[in-house]
Amino acid sequence: NAGVTQTPKFQVLKTGQSMTLQCAQDMNHEYMSWYRQDPGMGLRLIHYSVGAGITDQGEVPNGYNVSRSTTEDFPLRLLSAAPSQTSVYFCASSRQTYNSPLHFGNGTRLTVT
Amino acid sequence: AQTVTQSQPEMSVQEAETVTLSCTYDTSESDYYLFWYKQPPSRQMILVIRQEAYKQQNATENRFSVNFQKAAKSFSLKISDSQLGDAAMYFCAYGRGGGSNYKLTFGKGTLLTVNP
Repeated sequence: NAGVTQTPKFQVLKTGQSMTLQCAQDMNHEYMSWYRQDPGMGLRLIHYSVGAGITDQGEVPNGYNVSRSTTEDFPLRLLSAAPSQTSVYFCASSRQTYNSPLHFGNGTRLTVT
Repeated sequence: AQTVTQSQPEMSVQEAETVTLSCTYDTSESDYYLFWYKQPPSRQMILVIRQEAYKQQNATENRFSVNFQKAAKSFSLKISDSQLGDAAMYFCAYGRGGGSNYKLTFGKGTLLTVNP
């Protein structure tokens, strides 16, 4: 009954460091997305994928890369972390059906100093 | 682009009372979905209720119900018999439908406090 699993739960980086936020889902969902949550801003879409090998940009993609080599995994890469990327990151997935809601992971709190 | 506006950054309610959270949205689409998500201090995003735009009947889920006014582009959430566990941040979200609900547009949230 895992659902959407994100790791790590917390991370502190220094400016310029790189890291990958992991996301895995075991529901065989076709669609996966990454959002960031900032105080007073709600959640904003970073990147999304409609299936293995297919990714596209969301509202705030700059500074982030994604790939989707399998249906289950959708990692988010920060190539050179900046303080502006301090945020809570959520991975989410859904089925490819008309009314399927998003299922969210528990989030990763990232601090860039 | 679609926008979602939650005009109440914070709300409070007495336990067992009723509270209504407001949400308006802007879209030129006729086919879409609207959602309310709850985020308690645990940070988990929990789907509370959803509404399909083509359905005139307002959605209900136990103590939670919505007032969907399509022409006014309004989608408010009513919580009846409020409980301490309802205290959370509530987000209204818009999904374009047609299988595009992975690309949600969120409002900025309303922080709900429940007073004992």
